[in-house]
Amino acid sequence: SQQGEEDPQALSIQEGENATMNCSYKTSINNLQWYRQNSGRGLVHLILIRSNEREKHSGRLRVTLDTSKKSSSLLITASRAADTASYFCATHNNAGNMLTFGGGTRLMVKP
Amino acid sequence: EAGVAQSPRYKIIEKRQSVAFWCNPISGHATLYWYQQILGQGPKLLIQFQNNGVVDDSQLPKDRFSAERLKGVDSTLKIQPAKLEDSAVYLCASSSQGVGEQFFGPGTRLTVL
Repeated sequence: SQQGEEDPQALSIQEGENATMNCSYKTSINNLQWYRQNSGRGLVHLILIRSNEREKHSGRLRVTLDTSKKSSSLLITASRAADTASYFCATHNNAGNMLTFGGGTRLMVKP
Repeated sequence: EAGVAQSPRYKIIEKRQSVAFWCNPISGHATLYWYQQILGQGPKLLIQFQNNGVVDDSQLPKDRFSAERLKGVDSTLKIQPAKLEDSAVYLCASSSQGVGEQFFGPGTRLTVL
């Protein structure tokens, strides 16, 4: 079974708007990662946040982690058509030997 | 730096046939992973190698799937015999650390008829 579950399953926005995706998970984690997948570039790592971190930034990406609620969010600011893709959260358990992916959020950014 | 290489990119077979996929990880990456991604779902880990040893294969259907990583570099994933529900994209990934970022190959899209 998949540990992380993304919400919403699908999201459609206009270029320039912000996109927020949420991820919930069930068990204690070592870290949580976000990946992007599109037909052109396959599955690509975006950002990793450790269990002792609460927020992380990378360019237009902002990730938060709330371990008490077992949830994370990914914010993409000033979205572009090229951001159209599926976004997956993935968690590493405390043993650190398995990365478990959620079902993904399909984001469409309209020009 | 060359990425993770996989072949073939596409494969169409009939049920009960056998198929094999090949993966060459990024040079120097000790950890190699095989994932199965069914359409509309996230990737599911099938097996993880550390060098040429298996770290986790709890989700590998061992009655029909097998994988090896001889010499701790390239890896092969085999399905024998294939079933209709094996239709999926098979992704190979590698990492330098077991808990860090994973680098994915382009995948092999398998269709079982």
